[in-house]
Amino acid sequence: AQKITQTQPGMFVQEKEAVTLDCTYDTSDQSYGLFWYKQPSSGEMIFLIYQGSYDEQNATEGRYSLNFQKARKSANLVISASQLGDSAMYFCAMRGSNFGNEKLTFGTGTRLTIIP
Amino acid sequence: DGGITQSPKYLFRKEGQNVTLSCEQNLNHDAMYWYRQDPGQGLRLIYYSQIVNDFQKGDIAEGYSVSREKKESFPLTVTSAQKNPTAFYLCASSITRGQPQHFGDGTRLSIL
Repeated sequence: AQKITQTQPGMFVQEKEAVTLDCTYDTSDQSYGLFWYKQPSSGEMIFLIYQGSYDEQNATEGRYSLNFQKARKSANLVISASQLGDSAMYFCAMRGSNFGNEKLTFGTGTRLTIIP
Repeated sequence: DGGITQSPKYLFRKEGQNVTLSCEQNLNHDAMYWYRQDPGQGLRLIYYSQIVNDFQKGDIAEGYSVSREKKESFPLTVTSAQKNPTAFYLCASSITRGQPQHFGDGTRLSIL
């Protein structure tokens, strides 16, 4: 069974500061994928970044980067130079290695609020 | 533009009534998914489908049913057997193997 743990229910960060959202995972699969999604108050889920378990380098997408520490089973999201529009719920999710089965297991999320 | 369309945006159900949530995608994705989100919670998988005419139960399938007669469409029926249907329902799709899932804007279901 797969499990995602997000231990920060809410965070408040000053605009323009960097922020790290924590995510730890548990799986017995050798091959897996980790995703981060953003959910604004309107409800849609927006894909941010992906890290494969065999990727040697940490993933980056613009202001988003994923701090992947495989031995510690952590996949923290780092947002540089935060903006007011970054205020939202953020979910970490995992996909297992079962071929053809792309279903995701989600954490409970972190509500990020950017303060002007 | 390509994307996933969920309708309606808001839906109300009477006691003992079945309701169907629509999900259509024009991304030519093989796989489609239905998730349920309760307040303050992450998403939980209800059903998923890898190909047309095939689907599998997710973690919380009881009280729900789906069909996949066309690649573009994956409707979800919330039956009267689902005793606590009030939630936010999200549909997603993906190309199989390694690509991120793309989500619709969701349907918010409430009980009258």
